[in-house]
Amino acid sequence: DAGITQSPRHKVTETGTPVTLRCHQTENHRYMYWYRQDPGHGLRLIHYSYGVKDTDKGEVSDGYSVSRSKTEDFLLTLESATSSQTSVYFCAITRGRGTDTQYFGPGTRLTVL
Amino acid sequence: TQLLEQSPQFLSIQEGENLTVYCNSSSVFSSLQWYRQEPGEGPVLLVTVVTGGEVKKLKRLTFQFGDARKDSSLHITAAQPGDTGLYLCAGGSGNQFYFGTGTSLTVIP
Repeated sequence: DAGITQSPRHKVTETGTPVTLRCHQTENHRYMYWYRQDPGHGLRLIHYSYGVKDTDKGEVSDGYSVSRSKTEDFLLTLESATSSQTSVYFCAITRGRGTDTQYFGPGTRLTVL
Repeated sequence: TQLLEQSPQFLSIQEGENLTVYCNSSSVFSSLQWYRQEPGEGPVLLVTVVTGGEVKKLKRLTFQFGDARKDSSLHITAAQPGDTGLYLCAGGSGNQFYFGTGTSLTVIP
């Protein structure tokens, strides 16, 4: 298994509070991704990073920000959580892009009340 | 948005039956990947296909990439209960991957 951990694994929070999810890798892979998974929608890309301090938006980036100050860590922040952000969040890494294998973390289940 | 549609959305079959799952798009992708996901876990890569018309076999699973690199299929022969899970296709384009909506497969013993 690729060395990817996510923390926390479960979180319940209230509407309007900030939330930060952490993805940590030990593989020294260049690319890191944050997805959310919801029934009927598959996995949708929120943000991704192609290097330290290099990030870009994905399909559903509104309400989310990211930071990558070290190769091994990619943080996802919900600046003011809303109920529509209740979801399972997955982090993924790839060595390169395009045809490369994505390795996924175990996921974080977030509930916003 | 590059939409990948999978069909069927749900599939319940008896052990030993064959099945095919489809992944279709109007966009061209540089690669097409298939993942399998079990409850409470992240997706795990099954195969990557990169050439139009390519066919790959992985034991009882056969994967095909369409000639125009817009669609793909996954065929399972003699399904087993261990094949139960959510099957996801993903198209690679530039720095991003675009995922299909998924096919939830249940194989009944």
